[in-house]
Amino acid sequence: DAEITQSPRHKITETGRQVTLACHQTWNHNNMFWYRQDLGHGLRLIHYSYGVQDTNKGEVSDGYSVSRSNTEDLPLTLESAASSQTSVYFCASSESWASGTTGELFFGEGSRLTVL
Amino acid sequence: AQSVAQPEDQVNVAEGNPLTVKCTYSVSGNPYLFWYVQYPNRGLQFLLKYITGDNLVKGSYGFEAEFNKSQTSFHLKKPSALVSDSALYFCAVRDILTGGGNKLTFGTGTQLKVEL
Repeated sequence: DAEITQSPRHKITETGRQVTLACHQTWNHNNMFWYRQDLGHGLRLIHYSYGVQDTNKGEVSDGYSVSRSNTEDLPLTLESAASSQTSVYFCASSESWASGTTGELFFGEGSRLTVL
Repeated sequence: AQSVAQPEDQVNVAEGNPLTVKCTYSVSGNPYLFWYVQYPNRGLQFLLKYITGDNLVKGSYGFEAEFNKSQTSFHLKKPSALVSDSALYFCAVRDILTGGGNKLTFGTGTQLKVEL
């Protein structure tokens, strides 16, 4: 069965360190998204991609970067981790609008990041 | 800009009673509306969506939602709640005018607690 997997599921790091969260999907979806989930804020979009070599900033992109070198993967990098980036991060994917679908997102299980 | 509001942080209901989780939206054009559910330590799962047509949409696990354009609402309902329905529920919207990519904006979530 197709799936979307995130790794690591849990990570503790220190302020100032670089951290990369992996996201891999086997749905062959063009669209991929990174959200962060925080109490009182729900899910907020960090970055998204509509295809290989395409990346776009979401509403809370400062301090984060992504790259899309193939269809399956969209790694999220925190260049210099800050305590404010302690959160649960979710990767999601969907088919493109051009395929005629209506936009359901398929989510990974999440990566819990703690920055000390 | 598109947005959704979930006015209740928590909803408590007795098992067997009907439940309603509220959502209102704001978009420039016509909306695509979604409900997702999140169980503890899991990713979000798609429940149902409104695209066009019948204002009453049926989804997974006996849930349904009613689209009301005049009130810009999309409330989630279930005729008879189960303890296993206890979870975090998210409303989401996509503005058709934004074009391709299926970028969704999520609400802050409503915690549903069903008690015996």
